[in-house]
Amino acid sequence: QQQVKQSPQSLIVQKGGISIINCAYENTAFDYFPWYQQFPGKGPALLIAIRPDVSEKKEGRFTISFNKSAKQFSLHIMDSQPGDSATYFCAASTGDKLIFGTGTRLQVFP
Amino acid sequence: EAGVAQSPRYKIIEKRQSVAFWCNPISGHATLYWYQQILGQGPKLLIQFQNNGVVDDSQLPKDRFSAERLKGVDSTLKIQPAKLEDSAVYLCASSLNLAGGANTGELFFGEGSRLTVL
Repeated sequence: QQQVKQSPQSLIVQKGGISIINCAYENTAFDYFPWYQQFPGKGPALLIAIRPDVSEKKEGRFTISFNKSAKQFSLHIMDSQPGDSATYFCAASTGDKLIFGTGTRLQVFP
Repeated sequence: EAGVAQSPRYKIIEKRQSVAFWCNPISGHATLYWYQQILGQGPKLLIQFQNNGVVDDSQLPKDRFSAERLKGVDSTLKIQPAKLEDSAVYLCASSLNLAGGANTGELFFGEGSRLTVL
């Protein structure tokens, strides 16, 4: 019940395309859903986050869509760029405890 | 503002040896976390401190792992004796807990300490 399931495991997108990563959860007590971006050799860094009282949040080219009834949320990267190539982790939190998904390795080719 | 500092960045040891990792969180951050990230997987929480008290250590293999956060600032994570399956990146993170328990959930991670156990 504490798991966060993430798919796909890897994703290859052409420059300018849309990257979509999906996550699902079971625990309805989760109240905060961040996405973290991790470059090789670095720690994860917060990219964008959403709370369950809204269905969508957009920051620049990054959008989170949230479906509370389905217990699913997704990250959309519009106009994907080679610099977006990284591993993306969805996560879910109750208060202070953060549970990470398994990660999606995104490669954006020119 | 300085980020989360970790050392060493890399460590190679033989199985059954011991190793220690150090973390200095962002100044003023009350909560400190140690995560284990095995290659190709998401970070897994090992232990969480609030100031110098343990909040959650349910997934810490206590027969071989120990951690402390003296004076509520720096923290060390120790593994003794190490096993092959301990090969991973050990990430330290810190977060700012606002008064009243409200929490953005934003964790600030260090660059990690990569452990290879041979």
